[in-house]
Amino acid sequence: AQSVTQLDSQVPVFEEAPVELRCNYSSSVSVYLFWYVQYPNQGLQLLLKYLSGSTLVKGINGFEAEFNKSQTSFHLRKPSVHISDTAEYFCAVSEGSGGSNYKLTFGKGTLLTVNP
Amino acid sequence: GAGVSQTPSNKVTEKGKYVELRCDPISGHTALYWYRQSLGQGPEFLIYFQGTGAADDSGLPNDRFFAVRPEGSVSTLKIQRTERGDSAMYLCASSRGMNTEAFFGQGTRLTVV
Repeated sequence: AQSVTQLDSQVPVFEEAPVELRCNYSSSVSVYLFWYVQYPNQGLQLLLKYLSGSTLVKGINGFEAEFNKSQTSFHLRKPSVHISDTAEYFCAVSEGSGGSNYKLTFGKGTLLTVNP
Repeated sequence: GAGVSQTPSNKVTEKGKYVELRCDPISGHTALYWYRQSLGQGPEFLIYFQGTGAADDSGLPNDRFFAVRPEGSVSTLKIQRTERGDSAMYLCASSRGMNTEAFFGQGTRLTVV
């Protein structure tokens, strides 16, 4: 069975500061990795995904994440955040070996609050 | 429609009642997923369909939960004898195929009182 741990439940930062949201996973097989964002009263939106290839993945809204197999991590980063980045961020994993890539196991989420 | 539509957006029901939650996927999407998100938690997988058939229902918590997709488009999640622990946001997503990006709806917030 796979699991996802998001190490910080809340991350407050000031506008234009860099941010890193941490995610570790455990799985007995190779995995696909995802970051989703959820704005208040909205559905989940895909920020970026790692399926294969380059371990540095760039996504929408200036976010990027790096897959580190040895550390089983997939941390999300942004060099300079905006007020509008305030939202809940979810890391997710799928086994990717048969079945759907989007049968996802999610972490508990990290609430990013960007303050002026 | 332009996106995944879920109705109702909010549902309050009494303990022991039966409820149905509806999901209208993006037109042409063959794969459809249901997730449940309890307060303070990430979404948990319930079931996914490829076409009309349930390809994987391993996430359904017990036999009170059932989902159908009779014509390969709209899906209904059915919950019998609701319990207070069923209170959660129920999310639906659809994708063009099993291994293409899944797009989520805004969810149905179910409250069992």
